[in-house]
Amino acid sequence: GAGVSQSPRYKVAKRGQDVALRCDPISGHVSLFWYQQALGQGPEFLTYFQNEAQLDKSGLPSDRFFAERPEGSVSTLKIQRTQQEDSAVYLCASSLWGANTGELFFGEGSRLTVL
Amino acid sequence: QQPVQSPQAVILREGEDAVINCSSSKALYSVHWYRQKHGEAPVFLMILLKGGEQKGHEKISASFNEKKQQSSLYLTASQLSYSGTYFCGTERGNNDMRFGAGTRLTVKP
Repeated sequence: GAGVSQSPRYKVAKRGQDVALRCDPISGHVSLFWYQQALGQGPEFLTYFQNEAQLDKSGLPSDRFFAERPEGSVSTLKIQRTQQEDSAVYLCASSLWGANTGELFFGEGSRLTVL
Repeated sequence: QQPVQSPQAVILREGEDAVINCSSSKALYSVHWYRQKHGEAPVFLMILLKGGEQKGHEKISASFNEKKQQSSLYLTASQLSYSGTYFCGTERGNNDMRFGAGTRLTVKP
């Protein structure tokens, strides 16, 4: 596709369930970012990949959060044992090289609701 | 590491001007500006690189003062389509982009 694609767009999970959120970046984009956006707030940095290497995961809120990008293209954000505070929109963004040289292209996000 | 934006919200009439500010406590390499409409993805407006440049995009322009670690977004002769939440993103050369809490702009007829 022409843009960044995320799935599912909406996910409802019961507390304690595991969820997996997928991001398909723009083909050829080296950098991939995950952000968490709570209602009315700015995107909060979670983690960043350059190709398949996860260079920064300092924003992951707990060890229940895990992200991977095994082949340097598609990425998955996994949340284990979901809690109500995990409810948010999870945004994925990709960049041709990196944020220090060009724009980030965002997907429409995956809205997670934990009941 | 998150930049600070001000004001949090602003309401304008069509044709009025606005300034949104973004500051960081860390030395910056680049500043990005994005606009997000409700329920949509953030959309890129412009990037400013270290060097204190100013950029323009029709009636939307921005400046970057790297010494003060500050950037400002200028919206002139606002249009209804300018409504949305504006985010600045700051980056220190290592590619980790951090965003401010946003400035909600409402333009009324």
